[in-house]
Amino acid sequence: AQSVTQLDSQVPVFEEAPVELRCNYSSSVSVYLFWYVQYPNQGLQLLLKYLSGSTLVKGINGFEAEFNKSQTSFHLRKPSVHISDTAEYFCAVSTSGSRLTFGEGTQLTVNP
Amino acid sequence: DSGVTQTPKHLITATGQRVTLRCSPRSGDLSVYWYQQSLDQGLQFLIQYYNGEERAKGNILERFSAQQFPDLHSELNLSSLELGDSALYFCASSVGNNYGYTFGSGTRLTVV
Repeated sequence: AQSVTQLDSQVPVFEEAPVELRCNYSSSVSVYLFWYVQYPNQGLQLLLKYLSGSTLVKGINGFEAEFNKSQTSFHLRKPSVHISDTAEYFCAVSTSGSRLTFGEGTQLTVNP
Repeated sequence: DSGVTQTPKHLITATGQRVTLRCSPRSGDLSVYWYQQSLDQGLQFLIQYYNGEERAKGNILERFSAQQFPDLHSELNLSSLELGDSALYFCASSVGNNYGYTFGSGTRLTVV
């Protein structure tokens, strides 16, 4: 079975600063990795996904993530955040034939 | 609009009552997943259906049940409601596990 650990429950940053949200996973087989964003009172929206190929994945809203197999990590990054990026971010993992397993979430708060 | 439709958006009901939440998946998606999201327990997987058949069960209480109909829409039935059942209930759909889920905007259930 796979599992996901999001290493920070809350990340406060100032506007225009870079941010990294950390995600580690555990699985004995090949994985597919996802980041979702949830704005207040809304559903989860897919930010980006890694299925295969290039380990650097670019998503919507200027976010990107890098798959590191040796470190079993899939950290999410953005070089310059905006107030509108304030939201909860979920990392998720699946393997072939299995459903997604979500992390506990990281609340990103961007302050002016 | 994600393509996954959940109704109703809000529901307020009394303890001991029964409610039905409805989900229409994105066109072409055969799998439907139900999640419960609360402040203290985070995002909890309840149950998955694939083309009308139950595929996986998570932390779903015996008071809760679900089904997926031939037209692929799904219903989540919650009975003998308790205050602790107050939460956001999300439906998601997918073509397969490997490509991520598309979430609906959720039903906010308040039990009073």
